[in-house]
Amino acid sequence: AQSVAQPEDQVNVAEGNPLTVKCTYSVSGNPYLFWYVQYPNRGLQFLLKYITGDNLVKGSYGFEAEFNKSQTSFHLKKPSALVSDSALYFCAVRGSVTNTGNQFYFGTGTSLTVIP
Amino acid sequence: NAGVTQTPKFQVLKTGQSMTLQCAQDMNHEYMSWYRQDPGMGLRLIHYSVGAGITDQGEVPNGYNVSRSTTEDFPLRLLSAAPSQTSVYFCASSRNRGHEQFFGPGTRLTVL
Repeated sequence: AQSVAQPEDQVNVAEGNPLTVKCTYSVSGNPYLFWYVQYPNRGLQFLLKYITGDNLVKGSYGFEAEFNKSQTSFHLKKPSALVSDSALYFCAVRGSVTNTGNQFYFGTGTSLTVIP
Repeated sequence: NAGVTQTPKFQVLKTGQSMTLQCAQDMNHEYMSWYRQDPGMGLRLIHYSVGAGITDQGEVPNGYNVSRSTTEDFPLRLLSAAPSQTSVYFCASSRNRGHEQFFGPGTRLTVL
């Protein structure tokens, strides 16, 4: 079965400190991995993706994520958090095999609060 | 380029009523999908389409129908609304399976 887990419902971090939002996945075949951000009363916005290649992926707004195949993880990171980063973050995976490769699976989301 | 548009933004229905949520995209994307977002449950896939004339069920399809007669439009029909369908509904599109999805602004539906 395909699934995504975000083990933390809430992450708090002080402004200027590094932040990490965790994601682990289970999927058949090679995964396509994505991070999205959602601000209040808005749709989801794409941050970054991993399809293949370098395990460290850089995305929008200074975010990056590291693909770790052995740990089946794809944690989102930022070296220095901003108050404006406060939002709901979703990890998503799409399988690469034919019978599951058309469906995205989303985690339950992690609410990030950056404290001034 | 409007991206993904959804109408209406808000809707209140009574149990048993039917309605259609509209979704359109102007990016010529092949892949479109409908999700519902409920607190603590993330986004769950209702139905999706990989091209005009092709649709398939997602994780939670019961009580919903879709069709894809054109590349641009992907309406979601609630056949007989139930309180359990109270949710925020998002439509999304992507160029193909390896690309990121673009999301619409959502429709907040309340079923009384």
